[in-house]
Amino acid sequence: DAGVTQSPTHLIKTRGQQVTLRCSPKSGHDTVSWYQQALGQGPQFIFQYYEEEERQRGNFPDRFSGHQFPNYSSELNVNALLLGDSALYLCASSNYRGGSYGYTFGSGTRLTVV
Amino acid sequence: AQKVTQAQTEISVVEKEDVTLDCVYETRDTTYYLFWYKQPPSGELVFLIRRNSFDEQNEISGRYSWNFQKSTSSFNFTITASQVVDSAVYFCALSEDGSSNTGKLIFGQGTTLQVKP
Repeated sequence: DAGVTQSPTHLIKTRGQQVTLRCSPKSGHDTVSWYQQALGQGPQFIFQYYEEEERQRGNFPDRFSGHQFPNYSSELNVNALLLGDSALYLCASSNYRGGSYGYTFGSGTRLTVV
Repeated sequence: AQKVTQAQTEISVVEKEDVTLDCVYETRDTTYYLFWYKQPPSGELVFLIRRNSFDEQNEISGRYSWNFQKSTSSFNFTITASQVVDSAVYFCALSEDGSSNTGKLIFGQGTTLQVKP
């Protein structure tokens, strides 16, 4: 049973560019949440998708946007990249209606903005 | 506002020593969940334990134990007889959502544990 799959694992982008990160949730999960983890910090919540809609959003600018597809997979898009966007981006999936706990995290995408 | 504080940035112990990781949280809600996650160098966050705000029963699971005290807003985690494989970054997290499956997680800064042979 595959867990959460994220791609790519590493990415280097130039300031001002746009980037798309991808996440496939664990089998049986229908909700995807995205987190940003700067070096040496705890993860920070970006947003959550369920039923192809953004359900919750953290304190991130509109440059951060997302999408969820009918198969529950999700994309995180970041426009006009800044050096400060360099971080590990983690995807977590869960089952919205409960059942067994809870969040399964992927190994993340390491984004470096130069 | 919700906040999680892990005052210990780094801890270094010798194998077989016991080690306790501290976590203090702030919330105005009466219903919330607390979590501990482990993050090995691979980057994936590994779930260790969840506690809801109505369950103050402390638990022991193998070499791991947890001490939840609402009176002091603390949720500490102890590893008994530490092993080199326990070396990782440990995060304490808080969720105020009524469901532990959908609430956003608020993480502490993390404690890096190094267990030396």
